[in-house]
Formats: sequence, structure tokens, C-alpha cells
Amino acid sequence: QVQLQQSGPGLVEPSRTLSLTCAISGDSVSSNRATWSWVRQSPLRGLEWLGRTYYTSKWNNDYAESVKSRIIIIPDTSKNQFSLQLNFVSPEDTAIYYCVRVIDGAFDYWGQGTLVTVSS
Amino acid sequence: DIQMTQSPSILSASVGDRVTITCRASQSITNWLAWYQQKPGKAPKLLIYKASNLQTGVPSRFSGSGSGTEFTLTIYSLQPDDFATYYCQQSHTSRTFGQGTRVEIK
Repeated sequence: QVQLQQSGPGLVEPSRTLSLTCAISGDSVSSNRATWSWVRQSPLRGLEWLGRTYYTSKWNNDYAESVKSRIIIIPDTSKNQFSLQLNFVSPEDTAIYYCVRVIDGAFDYWGQGTLVTVSS
Repeated sequence: DIQMTQSPSILSASVGDRVTITCRASQSITNWLAWYQQKPGKAPKLLIYKASNLQTGVPSRFSGSGSGTEFTLTIYSLQPDDFATYYCQQSHTSRTFGQGTRVEIK
């Protein structure tokens, strides 16, 4: 059974960096059939895919255009986890953030969600 | 970006009803369409993938159909546990979600 366990702060100051980590059990971040994504949800923007990392003989990343200039998703094979860094946050980045496993384009396993509030 | 538009936004129904939710894509996504159910305070749950494939463990009263730009999620004989919000999501180009359809008790 795949489980995704998120960790990270729930409060970030404006213009700082939002950092979250997703620990994977029951699968591998280096899996050749899964990709690993971050999704956020807010009343203003609904469900929004932010980006993904995946391995196919080398590491690859894809990011949503809306955050492409501010986001990094980093895999960590030694800890079997992946992380999100979102730079220069503003109150509009306040949302529930989820890490997700994706297979065949479908988001089949989700983390528990982390409410991140951007405020001073 | 491919836009996903769901209708209706709110659907009032009774236990035992058959309900249908529609999702339209702004351009063809072939069959790269998934459906999710979300309850308050919980992460979305995958119901259907690749337009018509039932995820393991999901009751057979859920059914998905469509291809190209128009898709439907049908719930045959609505159960009390089915009152929730439903989302479609495309993975043909990048990934985008619909705005959601809330199924409420009539």
C-alpha cells in the first residue's frame, strides 16, 4: 500500500520560500512507471497542478507555467522522498498543498495535505 | 493551457437517483481524463482514469465515458456516501482540473 507523508511549516512570510517534503512508502521515487507531483487547492484557484519529477534513465521535471519561474521539485533517492520549493511567495500562494503519485496520467495516491498560509 | 469546464456546478439529487456530470475540454484530450471525488477536509480520491477505467476498489455504480472534448461521469443509484464534490482532470497537455461539481441532498 502506497503512503505519502507530508511535512513542512504551515506559515510562511511573504517573499520567503515555501518548502514541503513528501516521504514515500510502498513505492520508489525512482520508479519507472510513476511520476511525483505537487498540487495545491484554494478557494480562489481551485485545484492547481504545480509540477512533477520523474526518472527515466535521468531525472526530469515539468512545471506549470503559472509558477515556472519560482518552483523547484527535488527528488531524494537516499530518503525516498521529494520536495517542493516555491520562492517569493505572496498571500495568493496560501492554499492546501498535496503531494501525489501519478500513473497513466491519474493522481492515484495523495498525501494528507498541508495548509500553508502566507502571512507576516 | 487546456481549460476544463464542468456542468452543473451544483447538482441536487436524492438517494437512488442516477446523476450525470459533464466535463468539456477546450481542445481534444483524446482519453486522458480522470474523475475524482472529494469530501470536506480530505484529499481527492481517484474514481476513473483514462476516461472510462474504474479505479480498483471504486464501486461499480460509478461509470465514465467520452473522448475528445466531452466526457461524462455517471453515478447509477446515488448512495448516501456519494454526496461530495467531483472533479475532472486532464493529463493530455500539462495537467488541469475542472472547477468541481457539488452533489448535494435534494
